[in-house]
Amino acid sequence: DQQVKQNSPSLSVQEGRISILNCDYTNSMFDYFLWYKKYPAEGPTFLISISSIKDKNEDGRFTVFLNKSAKHLSLHIVPSQPGDSAVYFCAASDSGGTSYGKLTFGQGTILTVHP
Amino acid sequence: DSGVTQTPKHLITATGQRVTLRCSPRSGDLSVYWYQQSLDQGLQFLIHYYNGEERAKGNILERFSAQQFPDLHSELNLSSLELGDSALYFCASSVRAGFNSPLHFGNGTRLTVT
Repeated sequence: DQQVKQNSPSLSVQEGRISILNCDYTNSMFDYFLWYKKYPAEGPTFLISISSIKDKNEDGRFTVFLNKSAKHLSLHIVPSQPGDSAVYFCAASDSGGTSYGKLTFGQGTILTVHP
Repeated sequence: DSGVTQTPKHLITATGQRVTLRCSPRSGDLSVYWYQQSLDQGLQFLIHYYNGEERAKGNILERFSAQQFPDLHSELNLSSLELGDSALYFCASSVRAGFNSPLHFGNGTRLTVT
């Protein structure tokens, strides 16, 4: 049972345009969401997060939107740069109980930004 | 550089064997997490330690065990290895044990079981 899904295995965009990466979740207990970026031969790097009390969080070129009713979140990168080419993982967490930072990851989306 | 060190980077071993993966967290981080990434899969949570104590367990097999030592480094022990255990094993650390303390990942140990 995959509780966090990234339905697009890959995405290709032109430099300077917007990249939109999508993520859906099924577990209603999830209330904290994160995006990680991963380059080959490296570990994932934290990018941006959002709590369920918000519907938008922005950090420079990166904005995450959360639609709780649809159980959907998206990451917008504007403008996209070739250095953004990487695998992007969506992750979710349940802040209650004993989860203590246990993250449920999606399968990842490979983003390629062409010069 | 995340500051999290994992050794070894690569490990090749045979079925039935036992291996130990090591993780040194970032300086000052008390929480250590272990994740497994199999081919074409997302990262799967295995186990979480905070300041030497086990805090949460995920889908970790009984053949796998972990511990965090007084100096805060952690080891993941995998025994009776099977072909399906071949994967990337990531360690991550964070300052606190809470959900909103971002994880910092090491570069992983690639385990190949032949």
